[in-house]
Amino acid sequence: DVKVTQSSRYLVKRTGEKVFLECVQDMDHENMFWYRQDPGLGLRLIYFSYDVKMKEKGDIPEGYSVSREKKERFSLILESASTNQTSMYLCASSFWGRGYEQYFGPGTRLTVT
Amino acid sequence: KNEVEQSPQNLTAQEGEFITINCSYSVGISALHWLQQHPGGGIVSLFMLSSGKKKHGRLIATINIQEKHSSLHITASHPRDSAVYICAVGFLGETSGSRLTFGEGTQLTVNP
Repeated sequence: DVKVTQSSRYLVKRTGEKVFLECVQDMDHENMFWYRQDPGLGLRLIYFSYDVKMKEKGDIPEGYSVSREKKERFSLILESASTNQTSMYLCASSFWGRGYEQYFGPGTRLTVT
Repeated sequence: KNEVEQSPQNLTAQEGEFITINCSYSVGISALHWLQQHPGGGIVSLFMLSSGKKKHGRLIATINIQEKHSSLHITASHPRDSAVYICAVGFLGETSGSRLTFGEGTQLTVNP
């Protein structure tokens, strides 16, 4: 079974802090994604990566950056956390087989105070 | 803009009822996915469709490519089916074939 893990289930940070969210997948998938999920807005894509060191902006990249130095690991960085970045963050991975079916991590509930 | 619309947004049913959730999309697709999210956040993939119909246990997913519409049916619903059901689509012509566009989800509550 594919396993996607995220570094924290719950995180509380202060405004202005630099925040790192880490995601690791164990199935050698080439594609990895970061989403945020807010009530009434569904899943929104922040960034995705289709190969090591490659990244593309999603629909809401402002205030975020990403890093993919190794194939299995995709990091989301909030350079200076703000209260409007309080949200559920979900990581996913996929590969070309099975129609790019995405496998999701358990999510990180981030609260910025 | 490529769009995915789901209906209804909220659905409450009695145990045993037949349930239908609908998904419509705007342009040609490579594949359509149905996902399930239980309270607590975890999302799992239920089906991936590019044509026709698929069945897994009490769940059935259908897609009509010409009408750009898919349905997810649950037969003999049970309280453990209570979850958010999400439709996601891979649109043709996306620069990355792996990117999906998501509907807002349908919150299903099945009462005993």
